[in-house]
Amino acid sequence: RKEVEQDPGPFNVPEGATVAFNCTYSNSASQSFFWYRQDCRKEPKLLMSVYSSGNEDGRFTAQLNRASQYISLLIRDSKLSDSATYLCVVKDDTGGFKTIFGAGTRLFVKA
Amino acid sequence: DTAVSQTPKYLVTQMGNDKSIKCEQNLGHDTMYWYKQDSKKFLKIMFSYNNKELIINETVPNRFSPKSPDKAHLNLHINSLELGDSAVYFCASSRQGGRAGVGVLNEQFFGPGTRLTVL
Repeated sequence: RKEVEQDPGPFNVPEGATVAFNCTYSNSASQSFFWYRQDCRKEPKLLMSVYSSGNEDGRFTAQLNRASQYISLLIRDSKLSDSATYLCVVKDDTGGFKTIFGAGTRLFVKA
Repeated sequence: DTAVSQTPKYLVTQMGNDKSIKCEQNLGHDTMYWYKQDSKKFLKIMFSYNNKELIINETVPNRFSPKSPDKAHLNLHINSLELGDSAVYFCASSRQGGRAGVGVLNEQFFGPGTRLTVL
């Protein structure tokens, strides 16, 4: 089993749609969770951290379910500019230096 | 001002050559990383340095040798390049790689990447 697994997609959605991405991780000792965004031929950039109680940033909502070792990202009212690859990221707690990236989920938002 | 910079941006070379990629960050971070992103877009950590000390070495062939002359720089030297080394290499840095808890303290800032093509 991969350490961090994501549905690779692609997800093709119209503008204004709501889309959800899921991610599962294998190490129950993982402590920190993030969603990064990577545009084509660009570097990854932090989209948002994921907190235990769930958190929201504008149109983006992240949820964490430790019991199921599952993270989700919900995007409401999709914009064309949301088209990108979304990377689920997990940090382990053995010193905290090891960061594991999922393979990413590709999103295409169409007019 | 570029936070994390890498040079060169593109590198095309022949098998068997030795090459280096340089990385510099001006964020005052104490932890730096090298990642490899292959053709399948899978981003995998290679090395991590904290305060110039090697912390993570993820089963990378010893043809790859990172060097950190100071906290702001982490260079990657690759000997005897192979076809399979073709990928995009990203440098990154963070303020604190340790167990600082969740949140932006652990956010990693990435450089623009170096696209290495081995012919």
